[in-house]
Amino acid sequence: GAGVSQSPRYKVAKRGQDVALRCDPISGHVSLFWYQQALGQGPEFLTYFQNEAQLDKSGLPSDRFFAERPEGSVSTLKIQRTQQEDSAVYLCASSLTSRGKVLDTQYFGPGTRLTVL
Amino acid sequence: AQSVTQLGSHVSVSEGALVLLRCNYSSSVPPYLFWYVQYPNQGLQLLLKYTSAATLVKGINGFEAEFKKSETSFHLTKPSAHMSDAAEYFCAVSANTGNQFYFGTGTSLTVIP
Repeated sequence: GAGVSQSPRYKVAKRGQDVALRCDPISGHVSLFWYQQALGQGPEFLTYFQNEAQLDKSGLPSDRFFAERPEGSVSTLKIQRTQQEDSAVYLCASSLTSRGKVLDTQYFGPGTRLTVL
Repeated sequence: AQSVTQLGSHVSVSEGALVLLRCNYSSSVPPYLFWYVQYPNQGLQLLLKYTSAATLVKGINGFEAEFKKSETSFHLTKPSAHMSDAAEYFCAVSANTGNQFYFGTGTSLTVIP
């Protein structure tokens, strides 16, 4: 299909390990967003890219979280030295235009469920 | 700052009955409001959005929502529930100057046959 894909779908990490979560946005979509969804909560904004530029990273909870989109398409969210509180579903979304405004429909991927033991 | 409150984390309705999911928002600027649905193991799917045009917004799958500024509400309704409507529903708010959504905590809808 032509939707947003994320991999892996499930990831189990031991506390202290580094993890990398991948997002493949819809082809041609300029804007890309990462969200964190804790159990029983709504998604919370982490960071936003317009092409390869990270324009907003105000939602990243600590400097252990790092995101990149080097060629303006695929994005990777990296979490270093994982902690139990990092356990959540990480959602990626993309939208078509370069404005990055919320009027542009965001298409969400199925998420990566991260469990830190 | 923007936020939304969804009243009722779990709602159960009988098949064929009215669906009403409540959302109240807080925004210091004119808001844009959204309803998303999330089926198990799937990403969020946009149901409908309010962007300051018509206050009654029609979405997919027979859902609609009405923006009421005086009540700061954006409740989601569907006249007749279908089994396939069982899912998690999220209300979200944003300002047109930003690129962030602020989501509510979600309402899980159960449809009883």
